[in-house]
Amino acid sequence: QKEVEQNSGPLSVPEGAIASLNCTYSDRGSQSFFWYRQYSGKSPELIMSIYSNGDKEDGRFTAQLNKASQYVSLLIRDSQPSDSATYLCAVNPGGGNKLTFGTGTQLKVEL
Amino acid sequence: DGGITQSPKYLFRKEGQNVTLSCEQNLNHDAMYWYRQDPGQGLRLIYYSQIVNDFQKGDIAEGYSVSREKKESFPLTVTSAQKNPTAFYLCASSSTGTVNEKLFFGSGTQLSVL
Repeated sequence: QKEVEQNSGPLSVPEGAIASLNCTYSDRGSQSFFWYRQYSGKSPELIMSIYSNGDKEDGRFTAQLNKASQYVSLLIRDSQPSDSATYLCAVNPGGGNKLTFGTGTQLKVEL
Repeated sequence: DGGITQSPKYLFRKEGQNVTLSCEQNLNHDAMYWYRQDPGQGLRLIYYSQIVNDFQKGDIAEGYSVSREKKESFPLTVTSAQKNPTAFYLCASSSTGTVNEKLFFGSGTQLSVL
């Protein structure tokens, strides 16, 4: 079992719709969770971090964490073509100083 | 402007050759990291350093070496022992030495084998 799992996609959504990206993790001791966005050929950039159960909203982005079910999700409201990218879920397992990344989900927002 | 500079952008390695990827940051960050990204895979940690003159192996350190002689610099050497070096290499830093802080990434180096 991979430590951090994501559906590779592509996930296609129409412009203006809500995109829902999911991530599951295996280490129950994980404390910190992150979503990075990576455009093709570019480096990742942090868009959301979440540390406690529940929802965290930042503009059009909402991160959701459920530690009991070991999943974290990212919702993007009013999706725009500029949101088309690969979204990487990253988890800090066991509170150490390493991040474990998922393989990423490719999102395509279509006009 | 503050940031992380990686060079070169593209690098080609001949069989049996060692090559060094440069990573310099002017963010005054304590921690620096090297990740490798293969197509269809997530980032995998090669080495990281939380303070000068100290570094730790990541998940895939075999065939790689690093040094941290200055706070600003964290070069990565891909040795001839790394048999499958073709990948996109990313350097990152964080301010206080913990990954719970935001990671700032460089623009990456694409390494290919001739």
